[in-house]
Amino acid sequence: DTAVSQTPKYLVTQMGNDKSIKCEQNLGHDTMYWYKQDSKKFLKIMFSYNNKELIINETVPNRFSPKSPDKAHLNLHINSLELGDSAVYFCASSLPGQGANTQYFGPGTRLTVL
Amino acid sequence: AQKVTQAQTEISVVEKEDVTLDCVYETRDTTYYLFWYKQPPSGELVFLIRRNSFDEQNEISGRYSWNFQKSTSSFNFTITASQVVDSAVYFCALSEALGGGGNKLTFGTGTQLKVEL
Repeated sequence: DTAVSQTPKYLVTQMGNDKSIKCEQNLGHDTMYWYKQDSKKFLKIMFSYNNKELIINETVPNRFSPKSPDKAHLNLHINSLELGDSAVYFCASSLPGQGANTQYFGPGTRLTVL
Repeated sequence: AQKVTQAQTEISVVEKEDVTLDCVYETRDTTYYLFWYKQPPSGELVFLIRRNSFDEQNEISGRYSWNFQKSTSSFNFTITASQVVDSAVYFCALSEALGGGGNKLTFGTGTQLKVEL
């Protein structure tokens, strides 16, 4: 039933570690996104993929590497985690289109870097 | 650059009061789309409404209504007869088309609504 799912829901790790967050959507959408929500609840886009191709990378450090094995999946790998990476990461998906289509969000992954 | 301003950081009301959440946006696009999302305490982001720049009709859905005014670049959200379950952070967002498909949402900073008994 779940439209956009993310795993894990919570991730606690030490500085310097590498971690991945997985995202899957069963809505048949072509476009997927990663957003970061900081401690003040500000939401900002990180990446967008359309049909497995990277469309946008919003000045995100190279330590963040998205990977889209197919249209239904967009995973986020983070190397050498830093304290400032602590946030909630949301995956979203939409149909392609010129700004018109609604983005549907996953439940979020709360990453805590100690 | 696109910008969304939600000047109200936090609003507290008593149940059954009406409340309006303000949203002001900036864009140079002639065609654009505006959205409202709700983030309850459980943390997920729930889509509420999408409005395109050509349609200035107000919209009502149950206790929710939206007032889109292009002349003032505002897209305000009113909850009538608020309930405790309406307590959440509400985000207004503006969509920008991306080359190659998809769209990029620029979010406002959110308004925390607290509805008390």
